[in-house]
Amino acid sequence: GAGVSQSPSNKVTEKGKDVELRCDPISGHTALYWYRQSLGQGLEFLIYFQGNSAPDKSGLPSDRFSAERTGGSVSTLTIQRTQQEDSAVYLCASSLPTSNEQFFGPGTRLTVL
Amino acid sequence: QKEVEQDPGPLSVPEGAIVSLNCTYSNSAFQYFMWYRQYSRKGPELLMYTYSSGNKEDGRFTAQVDKSSKYISLFIRDSQPSDSATYLCAMSARGGSEKLVFGKGTKLTVNP
Repeated sequence: GAGVSQSPSNKVTEKGKDVELRCDPISGHTALYWYRQSLGQGLEFLIYFQGNSAPDKSGLPSDRFSAERTGGSVSTLTIQRTQQEDSAVYLCASSLPTSNEQFFGPGTRLTVL
Repeated sequence: QKEVEQDPGPLSVPEGAIVSLNCTYSNSAFQYFMWYRQYSRKGPELLMYTYSSGNKEDGRFTAQVDKSSKYISLFIRDSQPSDSATYLCAMSARGGSEKLVFGKGTKLTVNP
């Protein structure tokens, strides 16, 4: 079956611009997670959705970062006024509601010039 | 001190070698332990999933958890060039859906 998909695969933007990253989870996976992977760093948790609500937003680094999920499926991560330190690979994962076996998408590689 | 420590390597071994990858952690609440494999420019792929202490074997891969020492290991037997990747340990306190805490990953190269 189809895995987690993310778009775009690559995004280059200028400092100060807003970007939107999209994640389409595995069908039936009500839990969705966003992580960030910077060069030389492990995966850092950003936000977790269960259905359309976000019970854990503790990893969002600043108020420039926001995410939403509609219809219990697709999620969008928005970064406003991008900074160079936002350059990273943004990974999305999904899981069944009672499991923490998380399945990852291929990621979006964001470069802020 | 980070919650999960993992030697980033790089680790280079000849084909056929036994590889040992390790992580230590500080949070005694962690009970669920995972190993992910990540090929270059790809997303992480779940390799092994274990609960609490003990061993789990799957083909050439064995995961070990020692909760008393807060130490987990992944062994790869008869390593192959296709095993060349970055290996990430991850853990969580609960079995339900919640965030995973990852190590930084160990980059492994298996030379033919």
